[in-house]
Amino acid sequence: DAKTTQPPSMDCAEGRAANLPCNHSTISGNEYVYWYRQIHSQGPQYIIHGLKNNETNEMASLIITEDRKSSTLILPHATLRDTAVYYCIVRVQNTGNQFYFGTGTSLTVIP
Amino acid sequence: ETGVTQSPTHLIKTRGQQVTLRCSSQSGHNTVSWYQQALGQGPQFIFQYYREEENGRGNFPPRFSGLQFPNYSSELNVNALELDDSALYLCASSTLDRNYGYTFGSGTRLTVV
Repeated sequence: DAKTTQPPSMDCAEGRAANLPCNHSTISGNEYVYWYRQIHSQGPQYIIHGLKNNETNEMASLIITEDRKSSTLILPHATLRDTAVYYCIVRVQNTGNQFYFGTGTSLTVIP
Repeated sequence: ETGVTQSPTHLIKTRGQQVTLRCSSQSGHNTVSWYQQALGQGPQFIFQYYREEENGRGNFPPRFSGLQFPNYSSELNVNALELDDSALYLCASSTLDRNYGYTFGSGTRLTVV
């Protein structure tokens, strides 16, 4: 059911930018892309979301390609506390607009 | 503004028993979803409730059932527990607006022995 694909794991040096890619080639025109992260089997935590335009908040930036078939989450200055599993999710267009998670990317920030 | 709260945090049950997990939605949210997360896997969508009715279901058998109450709190019931039901169960609340994310609780860790 997941409509996204992500690399299973990535490493990033502390203080550097972490760029996490996501493919969502079957996304429909009005479906939003969401990013969440999960630390130590806690509940997933919201990071950012977008539709067409690039978005930025205090946590991260989201870059969505013009054809909307892929996106990149950017953590501008990764810290050790950013080590987590990151999920890219498309909020599916149906009567319930549910979230379907993929397998996510396990990001390890290295000192 | 309170977030999503789930109870209990941990639970151990015996195979064949029944279990009820509870969730209080975030204030202002009218939709609640439940997810099952096995160890090392992403959360799997079980079902969603809107205005006390189920309005979406994932690939889970009928022994997984739920309720949503007028105050938007919710229950997940699992009958005839199996060992493979051992998992973290997550509750998330939201609205139906696609431009609005889900708020997740911290989950209930269920162990079936």
